Amino acid sequence: GENVEQHPSTLSVQEGDSAVIKCTYSDSASNYFPWYKQELGKRPQLIIDIRSNVGEKKDQRIAVTLNKTAKHFSLHITETQPEDSAVYFCAASKYGQNFVFGPGTRLSVLP
Amino acid sequence: DSGVTQTPKHLITATGQRVTLRCSPRSGDLSVYWYQQSLDQGLQFLIQYYNGEERAKGNILERFSAQQFPDLHSELNLSSLELGDSALYFCASSVNAGGTTGELFFGEGSRLTVL
Repeated sequence: GENVEQHPSTLSVQEGDSAVIKCTYSDSASNYFPWYKQELGKRPQLIIDIRSNVGEKKDQRIAVTLNKTAKHFSLHITETQPEDSAVYFCAASKYGQNFVFGPGTRLSVLP
Repeated sequence: DSGVTQTPKHLITATGQRVTLRCSPRSGDLSVYWYQQSLDQGLQFLIQYYNGEERAKGNILERFSAQQFPDLHSELNLSSLELGDSALYFCASSVNAGGTTGELFFGEGSRLTVL
């Protein structure tokens, strides 16, 4: 089955700096890659996603890149703010089935 | 509010007992997913249902079972509970099971504590 790895497990950045989180997946048939943000004690919420027919997608300070050949995708957050502090999960899915999540990255944005 | 409702929000029980967690998906969503999140851990996929039928299975223990009813709500049954079953159990729903992709909408979770 699908296996998703995520690095780093923890990340601390200064406010205003950029943060990059990387994920790799094992199943070349996976075609949908969402990123979820989970604040302490709350439910995961989608922040951005990318489909396999697209190499990059951007939404304000957040961007995601996908390299299908290498089977990895990355989340980029620019101009980080304290409210970006949370746990971020990547996931891989085949046609909306069996979403497999990475282990998560705890991001701390230091003032 | 995601539109996904989970009950109960908190549950404390003893080892060896059985509990049922309930999930009502967003209106119109046919697919329901169950995830287990242990303390400071990731989201472990348990099982997915689509329109009443099991669609995908993850690392779900034999002591656990689930079903989706004709009104699309789902229940996760956990039996012979062990201390290690203590976790936050999330239900998520999406519109489709396959063919198209879509966002997963998570409920607030049911926190199970086994003493």
